[in-house]
Amino acid sequence: AQTVTQSQPEMSVQEAETVTLSCTYDTSESDYYLFWYKQPPSRQMILVIRQEAYKQQNATENRFSVNFQKAAKSFSLKISDSQLGDAAMYFCAYRSEANNYGQNFVFGPGTRLSVLP
Amino acid sequence: NAGVTQTPKFQVLKTGQSMTLQCAQDMNHEYMSWYRQDPGMGLRLIHYSVGAGITDQGEVPNGYNVSRSTTEDFPLRLLSAAPSQTSVYFCASMRPSGGYTFGSGTRLTVV
Repeated sequence: AQTVTQSQPEMSVQEAETVTLSCTYDTSESDYYLFWYKQPPSRQMILVIRQEAYKQQNATENRFSVNFQKAAKSFSLKISDSQLGDAAMYFCAYRSEANNYGQNFVFGPGTRLSVLP
Repeated sequence: NAGVTQTPKFQVLKTGQSMTLQCAQDMNHEYMSWYRQDPGMGLRLIHYSVGAGITDQGEVPNGYNVSRSTTEDFPLRLLSAAPSQTSVYFCASMRPSGGYTFGSGTRLTVV
């Protein structure tokens, strides 16, 4: 079974600075998707960024970018020019390409990010 | 707005009561699921459905029931509420090559 690990339970960053959240995963599959979700205090789960494993190019969404290292099974999220609104719990997630959608979507335990003014 | 609509946002139940959490999506997604989120335990899959008329159990199905009569709707029923079911519940839907779109969540307290 796949597992997702986020080794940093909490992190903090100064406003306007850059922060990187770590995520590693374990799988024997070659085709899969990786995601970062943001959960602010409102508790809404918001998709931040997604990466297909077959793509070598790292995904980017405005101030959010990832460093996807397939061989190392690493998928870190970089937030540039951090803003107060970035404060949230961030979840890394893995999704298999297999047909059984539900059983193959795995979330990490989350990293709580604080942004200091 | 397109997305997943989940109701209610908050609910307090007495032990033994039953209730239904509603979930509807307007994106024509075949796949829908219910998760519960508890402190220190992350998101755990309760039930899921790969299309109308098809449902299956996830990691923590006991005490919950689901049905999927239409593509749009996927209600979650608590049969006899217990304090252990106090949690935040999320409904989500997904397209075949995408990630989840989540509802806004329901905070349920069972006293």
